[in-house]
Amino acid sequence: AQSVTQLDSQVPVFEEAPVELRCNYSSSVSVYLFWYVQYPNQGLQLLLKYLSGSTLVKGINGFEAEFNKSQTSFHLRKPSVHISDTAEYFCAVSESGGYQKVTFGTGTKLQVIP
Amino acid sequence: DAGVIQSPRHEVTEMGQEVTLRCKPISGHNSLFWYRQTMMRGLELLIYFNNNVPIDDSGMPEDRFSAKMPNASFSTLKIQPSEPRDSAVYFCASRPQGEETQYFGPGTRLLVL
Repeated sequence: AQSVTQLDSQVPVFEEAPVELRCNYSSSVSVYLFWYVQYPNQGLQLLLKYLSGSTLVKGINGFEAEFNKSQTSFHLRKPSVHISDTAEYFCAVSESGGYQKVTFGTGTKLQVIP
Repeated sequence: DAGVIQSPRHEVTEMGQEVTLRCKPISGHNSLFWYRQTMMRGLELLIYFNNNVPIDDSGMPEDRFSAKMPNASFSTLKIQPSEPRDSAVYFCASRPQGEETQYFGPGTRLLVL
């Protein structure tokens, strides 16, 4: 079975400061990894995904994430956050085979402080 | 392009009543997922359909919950009878064949009194 751990439930950060949201996963097989963002009262939308190839993945809104197989991590980073980045961020994992059932983490609320 | 459409967006009902949530996936997508989001349990997969056929319903909490997908453009999630612990935001998501990304609807916020 696969699982995802997001250790930080809330991360406050000042505007224009860098941010890292942590994600660790567990799986016995090859995985796909995702970061989704949820703005208030909206559904989730994809920020970025890792399927294979380069371990550094760039997504929308200036976010990037790095897949580290030895650390089983997929941390999300942004060098300079904006007020509009205030949202909840979900890390997710799916096995690369089968129907690719996605397991979501518990989410990290990013609060950007002006 | 229209995204995933869910209705109603908000539903308030009394314990014991039947609740029906509706979803229209993105045209051409052949996979559909129903999720439930609560503060306590996060985002949970309830059921997954592929080509209108239920493939994985292991997340359906109990017999009070049922889901159908009569055709490629419509799905329902029904709760009968509803209980206060069913209060949550219910999301529908769809996915095109050969892709890994799920596209989420705006959700239905359900409150059972």
